[in-house]
Amino acid sequence: GAGVSQSPSNKVTEKGKDVELRCDPISGHTALYWYRQSLGQGLEFLIYFQGNSAPDKSGLPSDRFSAERTGGSVSTLTIQRTQQEDSAVYLCASTPAYGSYEQYFGPGTRLTVT
Amino acid sequence: GEDVEQSLFLSVREGDSSVINCTYTDSSSTYLYWYKQEPGAGLQLLTYIFSNMDMKQDQRLTVLLNKKDKHLSLRIADTQTGDSAIYFCAETRSQGNLIFGKGTKLSVKP
Repeated sequence: GAGVSQSPSNKVTEKGKDVELRCDPISGHTALYWYRQSLGQGLEFLIYFQGNSAPDKSGLPSDRFSAERTGGSVSTLTIQRTQQEDSAVYLCASTPAYGSYEQYFGPGTRLTVT
Repeated sequence: GEDVEQSLFLSVREGDSSVINCTYTDSSSTYLYWYKQEPGAGLQLLTYIFSNMDMKQDQRLTVLLNKKDKHLSLRIADTQTGDSAIYFCAETRSQGNLIFGKGTKLSVKP
């Protein structure tokens, strides 16, 4: 079946612009996670959605970052006023339910801020 | 500290065994994982171990878990050039999110 998909696969933006990154989780998966992978910081957890509960935003690095999940499915990560240090690969993962052992990762969106 | 620690590089010869080590921080982690990332590709779950186990074997892969020392290792038997990749150790937190190590780059020489 279809895996986790993310779009765009690559995004180049100018410093100061806003960007939106999209994640389509596997159908029926209730939990969704955003991570980012950068050279300096490795893989970092950003935000977590579980069903209709309020998201866990504890990993977001600043208030320029926000995310929403509409209808318990598609999620959008928004970065406002992008900075060069936001350049990274943004990864999305979904799991069938809370406590499920496997997170299925998407291919990621490579964001470059010039 | 709060970090999951791994050595950054490992180089082995084809046919040898590779052992990648990791120390983690949260003794309440339910599962511990090894993920593989090949160049230009996404994260692939390689194997995992439940915290009440001390060993898991899956074909060429052996995972050892020492809960007392919070030490996890991944052994790859008969390492092949196709095993060249970055291997990430990860532990779970209460919300289910993963905390990753910085990754060990495995280079396999023919």
